[in-house]
Amino acid sequence: DAGVTQSPTHLIKTRGQQVTLRCSPISGHKSVSWYQQVLGQGPQFIFQYYEKEERGRGNFPDRFSARQFPNYSSELNVNALLLGDSALYLCASSLGGRGTSTEAFFGQGTRLTVV
Amino acid sequence: AQKITQTQPGMFVQEKEAVTLDCTYDTSDQSYGLFWYKQPSSGEMIFLIYQGSYDEQNATEGRYSLNFQKARKSANLVISASQLGDSAMYFCAMRDLNSSYKLIFGSGTRLLVRP
Repeated sequence: DAGVTQSPTHLIKTRGQQVTLRCSPISGHKSVSWYQQVLGQGPQFIFQYYEKEERGRGNFPDRFSARQFPNYSSELNVNALLLGDSALYLCASSLGGRGTSTEAFFGQGTRLTVV
Repeated sequence: AQKITQTQPGMFVQEKEAVTLDCTYDTSDQSYGLFWYKQPSSGEMIFLIYQGSYDEQNATEGRYSLNFQKARKSANLVISASQLGDSAMYFCAMRDLNSSYKLIFGSGTRLLVRP
């Protein structure tokens, strides 16, 4: 079975541009979460979607948005890129649902560099 | 607010020896989960082990065990018989199982296994 797949793997953008990152969860998983990992730090939660609805949002500006499609894949959009948006963006999928102890499975991430 | 603290930025261990990576947490929640992830240089977060707050026994998964001391709010990872492939970043994380979907990560510990 395929794991969590993210595309692209690497990306270079210029300040002010917009970027779209994509994620396909593990088959059967209905929850997708996005995390930003700045170099030297742990991942920070951005969004969580379950059954195509936003279930959680981290402390990120409105330049960050996301959505989940009927097939449970997801896109993360970042507008008006800043140098500080340079990071590894990780997508995690899980079965979802509250009260569950299921772990999240992560993709290899998209490394975004803003110049 | 939830918080994870990993006080060891870097650790060395000799091949075939055991090593303990420290993790302390802070939460007012009663039902929570504690996770350890491994992140090699490729970037993917690999799930290692899970401990629920109501689990009475310490979790074990192969060479990984979690030393859970609830009163001290610590969840240390023990890796036995270290291998060269264990060299990576290790992150401790937690999640409130009742009301939140997001994982809160610590800042990580870089482990280097010496031959």
